Amino acid sequence: SAVISQKPSRDICQRGTSLTIQCQVDSQVTMMFWYRQQPGQSLTLIATANQGSEATYESGFVIDKFPISRPNLTFSTLTVSNMSPEDSSIYLCSVEGLGIGGSDGYTFGSGTRLTVV
Amino acid sequence: GDSVTQMEGPVTLSEEAFLTINCTYTATGYPSLFWYVQYPGEGLQLLLKATKADDKGSNKGFEATYRKETTSFHLEKGSVQVSDSAVYFCALTNTGGFKTIFGAGTRLFVKA
Repeated sequence: SAVISQKPSRDICQRGTSLTIQCQVDSQVTMMFWYRQQPGQSLTLIATANQGSEATYESGFVIDKFPISRPNLTFSTLTVSNMSPEDSSIYLCSVEGLGIGGSDGYTFGSGTRLTVV
Repeated sequence: GDSVTQMEGPVTLSEEAFLTINCTYTATGYPSLFWYVQYPGEGLQLLLKATKADDKGSNKGFEATYRKETTSFHLEKGSVQVSDSAVYFCALTNTGGFKTIFGAGTRLFVKA
């Protein structure tokens, strides 16, 4: 399975500022996924990022707040913009396993623990 | 839409106790089912999977059987260790799709 390097691992940010999270994969992948995990809760998909096209956002998430870049098949960034304390969460990137249609599950980065003060 | 329901935690067990974490799902078609584990301060790791009815996924002493008739995928382990303390997520990915639906997670504490 792929290995994902995600950084930063954690950060404490002032409200109103922005943070960019990076994910580097050790192999080429078509789709990369960004999730949010709010404290004590499950994962919520923010968006799906394909190389060469705009990311597809889930209901409740917008590009202005969470712009995503996908410049090549091994790298993606998620920016959390104009942060407020409600954005304090763990953000995770993920890629699909080798199986067809996600049947092999997904590999996750180690996560970015964001605290907004 | 598709959904996953798993038992609420936390679950607290003594070392060597038997573990069951219940998971049921609602989905159209024939989803693949997964258990992921999240150790403290880490991302999620795939623990085991099953892609069709009656399949049994197993890994590290954990097992789960895909039961289509009861739409369940309960996680079991015969003898837990302190190192199994983590949050466990049941999840599904539906046929031909790429979106994974996660349960709420169940936190397990194992005492020595």
